[in-house]
Amino acid sequence: DADVTQTPRNRITKTGKRIMLECSQTKGHDRMYWYRQDPGLGLRLIYYSFDVKDINKGEISDGYSVSRQAQAKFSLSLESAIPNQTALYFCATSDLKASSTDTQYFGPGTRLTVL
Amino acid sequence: GQNIDQPTEMTATEGAIVQINCTYQTSGFNGLFWYQQHAGEAPTFLSYNVLDGLEEKGRFSSFLSRSKGYSYLLLKELQMKDSASYLCAVRGDAGNNRKLIWGLGTSLAVNP
Repeated sequence: DADVTQTPRNRITKTGKRIMLECSQTKGHDRMYWYRQDPGLGLRLIYYSFDVKDINKGEISDGYSVSRQAQAKFSLSLESAIPNQTALYFCATSDLKASSTDTQYFGPGTRLTVL
Repeated sequence: GQNIDQPTEMTATEGAIVQINCTYQTSGFNGLFWYQQHAGEAPTFLSYNVLDGLEEKGRFSSFLSRSKGYSYLLLKELQMKDSASYLCAVRGDAGNNRKLIWGLGTSLAVNP
């Protein structure tokens, strides 16, 4: 079974619709992240969370919100989707423990298309 | 500002050796990561360097020079399945909450 799962894997929606992307992990990691990836722009951080009570904006948080429902679950919402939010979205997790390298491990991605 | 530079594209032949370079300018340094990403798939972790020198893992090795702000990923005995994008990422200082700064990736094509 995959350690980091994302649902849905693919989604096509229309401008103005509310969309939620979900991420679950069984790795027991404290930190979770949401990235988007666009051709030529690389991976860009949207939001990150170091524990259930900690939520932080990344470099491109406008138009997005998140919820950390539990240590294992981190959801990304697009309140009113727009076409330039069409991208590949990745969830990632990492381990905060002092002995770890804090390596990020990625989910399989969600391909979102906003028409 | 903070910046990571990698070549955009590289081509190599099956069975050969290829070196992918990464240079970085960051405010502080707490480790450098290499990831492999096949088209449309998730990045997968390859290697981590925090001290100067070479880390070897099977066919893949990664080198770091902190004084030069430089790393490379060395891929030996290239296989067709190594055709992918290779991402370099640097963790800046604690003041940045240990976030990763990502390069744009190097697209490697392995030809028969």
